[in-house]
Amino acid sequence: QQQVKQSPQSLIVQKGGIPIINCAYENTAFDYFPWYQQFPGKGPALLIAIRPDVSEKKEGRFTISFNKSAKQFSLHIMDSQPGDSATYFCAALNNNAGNMLTFGGGTRLMVKP
Amino acid sequence: EPEVTQTPSHQVTQMGQEVILRCVPISNHLYFYWYRQILGQKVEFLVSFYNNEISEKSEIFDDQFSVERPDGSNFTLKIRSTKLEDSAMYFCASSELRGDGQPQHFGDGTRLSIL
Repeated sequence: QQQVKQSPQSLIVQKGGIPIINCAYENTAFDYFPWYQQFPGKGPALLIAIRPDVSEKKEGRFTISFNKSAKQFSLHIMDSQPGDSATYFCAALNNNAGNMLTFGGGTRLMVKP
Repeated sequence: EPEVTQTPSHQVTQMGQEVILRCVPISNHLYFYWYRQILGQKVEFLVSFYNNEISEKSEIFDDQFSVERPDGSNFTLKIRSTKLEDSAMYFCASSELRGDGQPQHFGDGTRLSIL
């Protein structure tokens, strides 16, 4: 029940395309959902995050869509660029159970020029 | 921008040996974490640390593991007797406070290779 399932495992899009990465969870106690971006040789870096009382959040070219009833959330990258090529992880946290982030399995995104 | 720093970047150790991974969290942060990432797998939580004690730990964090804040700046993860399956990338993270809205900032990791 602690799992966060992420899909797809890998994704290739052309520059300017809109890659969409999906995550699903079971534990309804999760109440904070961050996305992390990881470049090779680097640690995960927080990209954007959402709480379940909001259905959508935008920061620059990155948008999270959140469907509380379906227990799903997704990351959209508008006007994707080759520099967005990285591994993306969704994660979830239960504030009442401490600070443990539960990560999805990751999506390796490649944006072709 | 302040960052979490980890040393060494790569550690090679014989099975059965003790290893200490070091981290310097961001200076005004109060919560510290260790995560690991086995090659090709997801990032997994190991332990969180606050006020000089463990606040939570996962099933992975067994008696072979320990954490310590030996001084005002360092945060260490010790593996007492390493096993082959301990080979992974180990990430240290820190946050100013706990809970949502308090992002956890990750270091670039230490790649631990057990031979």
